[in-house]
Amino acid sequence: QKEVEQNSGPLSVPEGAIASLNCTYSDRVSQSFFWYRQYSGKSPELIMSIYSNGDKEDGRFTAQLNKASQYVSLLIRDSQPSDSATYLCAVPSGAGSYQLTFGKGTKLSVIP
Amino acid sequence: GAVVSQHPSRVICKSGTSVKIECRSLDFQATTMFWYRQFPKQSLMLMATSNEGSKATYEQGVEKDKFLINHASLTLSTLTVTSAHPEDSSFYICSAPWIAGGAETQYFGPGTRLLVL
Repeated sequence: QKEVEQNSGPLSVPEGAIASLNCTYSDRVSQSFFWYRQYSGKSPELIMSIYSNGDKEDGRFTAQLNKASQYVSLLIRDSQPSDSATYLCAVPSGAGSYQLTFGKGTKLSVIP
Repeated sequence: GAVVSQHPSRVICKSGTSVKIECRSLDFQATTMFWYRQFPKQSLMLMATSNEGSKATYEQGVEKDKFLINHASLTLSTLTVTSAHPEDSSFYICSAPWIAGGAETQYFGPGTRLLVL
């Protein structure tokens, strides 16, 4: 059973700061990693995917992957109050096609 | 990305009644869909995998006779909560598989909030 671990938070950062969200996973053979954002009362929304070691940037978001350390992170630059949400890390579960194992999520609060 | 819809978005029902929730892939076909449940302030819990043309696969601890899943077509899966009780009140979310950047992932519907009185 694959495991995905995240700090539940809440993580509070001031507006304009960099928010750093971390995720570790148990299965060394995992090849793809996803970050979802879930606003309160809403369903998860895919915001980033990463497959190769290193950084992947998309606007204010940067995903970082280190397969040797089994660690994936999400950086949010110039954090805005609208970024306040729970961020879920996910990896393929291997149980079947397209099945994902989700972390419990980190709640981020951006303080104006 | 893919668009997945759910209907209804919110439903209130009396204890003992059945509630049907629809999940549709709007611009693509999905032979598989996933049903999740999420209680307040808790993480997503996969309930079952819906398979077009065959029986759904239920996760351990999920009662298949209580949560009936029918994958009627390549764009529609339904979840029926039978004889609903207050403890079934939750946020039910479906998802459909999609390829994002060459890897298999899921896109989620907007969810259905069920309140059983």
